[in-house]
Amino acid sequence: GQNIDQPTEMTATEGAIVQINCTYQTSGFNGLFWYQQHAGEAPTFLSYNVLDGLEEKGRFSSFLSRSKGYSYLLLKELQMKDSASYLCASLNDYKLSFGAGTTVTVRA
Amino acid sequence: DAGVIQSPRHEVTEMGQEVTLRCKPISGHDYLFWYRQTMMRGLELLIYFNNNVPIDDSGMPEDRFSAKMPNASFSTLKIQPSEPRDSAVYFCASMSGELFFGEGSRLTVL
Repeated sequence: GQNIDQPTEMTATEGAIVQINCTYQTSGFNGLFWYQQHAGEAPTFLSYNVLDGLEEKGRFSSFLSRSKGYSYLLLKELQMKDSASYLCASLNDYKLSFGAGTTVTVRA
Repeated sequence: DAGVIQSPRHEVTEMGQEVTLRCKPISGHDYLFWYRQTMMRGLELLIYFNNNVPIDDSGMPEDRFSAKMPNASFSTLKIQPSEPRDSAVYFCASMSGELFFGEGSRLTVL
């Protein structure tokens, strides 16, 4: 694999903010994806970063630092429906590999 | 577009039987990926194609697994013979910039 590291679990309260960090290998790097996956369903696309900086899309934002091999997904104004697994995926030499996923649990 | 279409959605078979999973990618997408997902190992890349040509099959577990893409609108993943440890959800995904997943094929080998 591409040695993609992300935390296993995170818990937060409804309305709060959570940041999920991800590190990846920089060799042959083409881009960084974030996906959301609810139990029993297919992963769904959240964001794609290829340039350094922050991409904002509603309550979700994703950041990339190519030189550091680092990204994060920021979830704001958490809702119960945001409880899911969040997958970081690195595209290296056009081969897309996924991290193990971070299970986010939102509590009332 | 209907998205990535996979079949069957569920399959239960006995050890030793041949299993064929099918995928129709989104029209115009030039990359197609096959992934396997289990609780223990997460999402594993098995093989991917670019313009119908296999580029990297290093993730294919062993010779029992084979994949083909005879044209731009169809791909198969075959397991022969199947074993209980092959039980997993198999996802097909296609990409042209953004990666879209099919709904997956849940395989149970008894």
